[in-house]
Amino acid sequence: GAGVSQSPSNKVTEKGKDVELRCDPISGHTALYWYRQSLGQGLEFLIYFQGNSAPDKSGLPSDRFSAERTGGSVSTLTIQRTQQEDSAVYLCASSPGRYNEQFFGPGTRLTVL
Amino acid sequence: AQTVTQSQPEMSVQEAETVTLSCTYDTSESDYYLFWYKQPPSRQMILVIRQEAYKQQNATENRFSVNFQKAAKSFSLKISDSQLGDAAMYFCAYRSGGLPTGGFKTIFGAGTRLFVKA
Repeated sequence: GAGVSQSPSNKVTEKGKDVELRCDPISGHTALYWYRQSLGQGLEFLIYFQGNSAPDKSGLPSDRFSAERTGGSVSTLTIQRTQQEDSAVYLCASSPGRYNEQFFGPGTRLTVL
Repeated sequence: AQTVTQSQPEMSVQEAETVTLSCTYDTSESDYYLFWYKQPPSRQMILVIRQEAYKQQNATENRFSVNFQKAAKSFSLKISDSQLGDAAMYFCAYRSGGLPTGGFKTIFGAGTRLFVKA
């Protein structure tokens, strides 16, 4: 079956512009996670959605970052007024439930010039 | 707050040999899960093995096994009969067992890059 997909695979933008990153989770997965991976670093948790519950936004680094998940499926991570330090790979993962394995997408590489 | 530490930025192993990757973590929770993920150059994160904290028996998946020492908060990964395809970044990860003591975010270590020599 289809795995987690993310688009675009690469995004180059200018400092100060807004960007939207999209994640399509595996069908039926109720949990969805966003992570940020800076060059040569581990994964930094950003936000977690579980069903209809309020999302856990505790990892969002600033109010320029926001995410939504429409209809319990597709999720969009928005970064407003991008800065050069936002350059990283943004990974999305989904899971059948909160206690299960996370399945990762291929990531979006964001470069802010 | 929970932390995960991987003290080996890089490791190297000869093909067909055994290698152990180290991971330590810090938590005050009693209910949690531990994972090892593999990230090849393709960037695709792949689950290698998982361990529930309440289980005393060490998890095993084919050539991959863990040494889980709960009291020492240590969770090392052993790769036996190493293959060229094992070359990748390996991340140790911690996830809380959930409410009320914590949420469900997963904390990752900085990673260990494994090189496999032919």
